[in-house]
Amino acid sequence: DIQMTQSPSSLSASVGDRVTITCQASQDISNYLNWYQQKPGKAPKLLIYDASNLETGVPSRFSGSGSGTDFTFTISSLQPEDIATYYCQQYDNLLTFGPGTKVDIK
Amino acid sequence: EVQLVQSGAEVKKPGESLKISCKGSGYSFTSYWIGWVRQMPGKGLEWMGIIYPGDSDTRYSPSFQGQVTISADKSISTAYLQWSSLKASDTAMYYCARLRDYYDSSGYSLPASLDYWGQGTLVTVSS
Repeated sequence: DIQMTQSPSSLSASVGDRVTITCQASQDISNYLNWYQQKPGKAPKLLIYDASNLETGVPSRFSGSGSGTDFTFTISSLQPEDIATYYCQQYDNLLTFGPGTKVDIK
Repeated sequence: EVQLVQSGAEVKKPGESLKISCKGSGYSFTSYWIGWVRQMPGKGLEWMGIIYPGDSDTRYSPSFQGQVTISADKSISTAYLQWSSLKASDTAMYYCARLRDYYDSSGYSLPASLDYWGQGTLVTVSS
């Protein structure tokens, strides 16, 4: 099994701040990594696929980078509508989600 | 428009059986993996398993192997998740999702990203 960790588990930031979340895999997964956003009471939404590709229709303030075991998700300028929990997910060996990072406004 | 529509909320007693559904439309149902994801109250996402409706190839997360059964009826573009004997710990929201795939060196389709999601089915198990 491939295990995924995320940090931090939660964060508070001000509108306009740059927000960074990290995701680490227990073994090399190349770029087989996706990022999702889940707002309260809603289904998750795919934001970034293949570690760094922005899903169609997703605002450009969201970005992803990394390969191997270490990945980063960034919101360049936090907006009120970005309040959500963010999950990474690997697909190198079936699927595994990270534990999530809850983002709210300070 | 791609849509996944799940069956409605369920309230069951421990020991009862249950089958929930996920109907796909707006795309070729047999050409994409469908996955099931559990979210227990206040917790994160857990991948349960996937099925390729084209040939019924099914894979389970080790955590859910033997606990649930995933199936699909391609004639009605519907995937299913079923339990033979529910427990209180099965209380959760269950999501289905379509998976975009990629091809390995042998040309075999493997699951990648969950690009369209159903609205979720809330299952409550309580005596």
